[in-house]
Amino acid sequence: SYELTQPPSVSVSPGQKATITCSGDKLGNKYASWYQQKPGQSPVLVIYKDSQRPSGIPERLSGSNLGNTATLTISGTQAMDEADYYCQAWNNSIVVFGGGTKLAVL
Amino acid sequence: QLQLQQSGPGLVTPSETLPLTCTVPGSSISSDSYYWGWIRQPPGKGLEWIGSIYYSGNAYYNPSLKRRVTVSVDTSKNQLSLTLTSVTSADTAVYFCARGIAAAYYFDSWGQGTQVTVSS
Repeated sequence: SYELTQPPSVSVSPGQKATITCSGDKLGNKYASWYQQKPGQSPVLVIYKDSQRPSGIPERLSGSNLGNTATLTISGTQAMDEADYYCQAWNNSIVVFGGGTKLAVL
Repeated sequence: QLQLQQSGPGLVTPSETLPLTCTVPGSSISSDSYYWGWIRQPPGKGLEWIGSIYYSGNAYYNPSLKRRVTVSVDTSKNQLSLTLTSVTSADTAVYFCARGIAAAYYFDSWGQGTQVTVSS
């Protein structure tokens, strides 16, 4: 079965750049999406089609997808960005989520 | 974003069947621009896709749950449904319904989540 691997946690200082990776076999050949989830809330789509931002998502969030790795980058990280982030892809009619990364803004 | 409204029991007895419903506002449930899915999240864990259904009526399921899951749509009621049979404590989770964008493979709107506990 297809798997997406994310680091369990990432720490970043306020104002710095945070990078969250998502690895999967030939992931670059598929569309990757990213969701942000804060405690007690439903996930929110923050990146789709590798690098597209839905309306209302700050420009400091960006995405890329090449080779086996999709990357979510948060530039100028703010305290409000502290959350769990999940990558997601679609493989042969099956939806796959990464295990999630807890972003700590310290 | 679309406001999806979920409903269903918060407590289910082991070996019984879990029924959940998600009401979709407007007529988008009948549109071929979208598909519909269920995702769950066990306590303290990550997101797990359960299954999705498309405008054509074709449904796809997580292989690990396929034997116990049915996802269906009732267009007359604008409702998406999930049925999970023979539940155990491992099925305790928050369950989400979501709208997917056809041919783009992402979920753009999510329900508020339903906490389901399996316990006698």
